[in-house]
Amino acid sequence: AQSVAQPEDQVNVAEGNPLTVKCTYSVSGNPYLFWYVQYPNRGLQFLLKYITGDNLVKGSYGFEAEFNKSQTSFHLKKPSALVSDSALYFCAVRDASTGFQKLVFGTGTRLLVSP
Amino acid sequence: DAGVIQSPRHEVTEMGQEVTLRCKPISGHDYLFWYRQTMMRGLELLIYFNNNVPIDDSGMPEDRFSAKMPNASFSTLKIQPSEPRDSAVYFCASSPRVKDGNTIYFGEGSWLTVV
Repeated sequence: AQSVAQPEDQVNVAEGNPLTVKCTYSVSGNPYLFWYVQYPNRGLQFLLKYITGDNLVKGSYGFEAEFNKSQTSFHLKKPSALVSDSALYFCAVRDASTGFQKLVFGTGTRLLVSP
Repeated sequence: DAGVIQSPRHEVTEMGQEVTLRCKPISGHDYLFWYRQTMMRGLELLIYFNNNVPIDDSGMPEDRFSAKMPNASFSTLKIQPSEPRDSAVYFCASSPRVKDGNTIYFGEGSWLTVV
């Protein structure tokens, strides 16, 4: 069965510093990988996705993620963090075992950017 | 595009009462998903529909939960009778044909409290 792991419950970073939020996945076959962000009392907003092609994917708000097949990882990155980036981040995966229909989420990582 | 629209945004109800959550997906989307978010279990897929037909309801917790999609622009998730452990945020989401790696878009959620 497909699954996603986000090993860190919380990531703390100072404003202006680079940030990384980690994600690893387990699927059968090739995955579709997604990152979503959730601000307090809001729904999930799509940030970026990897389907195929270039391993480095760029998304909204200056975020990017790198697909690494050998390490089964899809870490979210940003070169310079903003206080407004503080939110809950979810990694998610869909794979061929479910006809790419089911989107399975990780447990989420809370990002806290300090001024 | 108005996005996925959910109602009510907030609901407080007494144990034993019936709760109905409503969702209007994005026009033209073939897939509709219902997710539940809790602190303990994170984001869980409850059920999803393709072209108004329920495809997989294995995530529905028990018989007290039911979901319908009478047409392409409307879905309901019903809990009868409600219990305090049903308190959670319920998200509706929709997507175009999923095999092309299309993104799933979420509504703002229905925040349910059962007292």
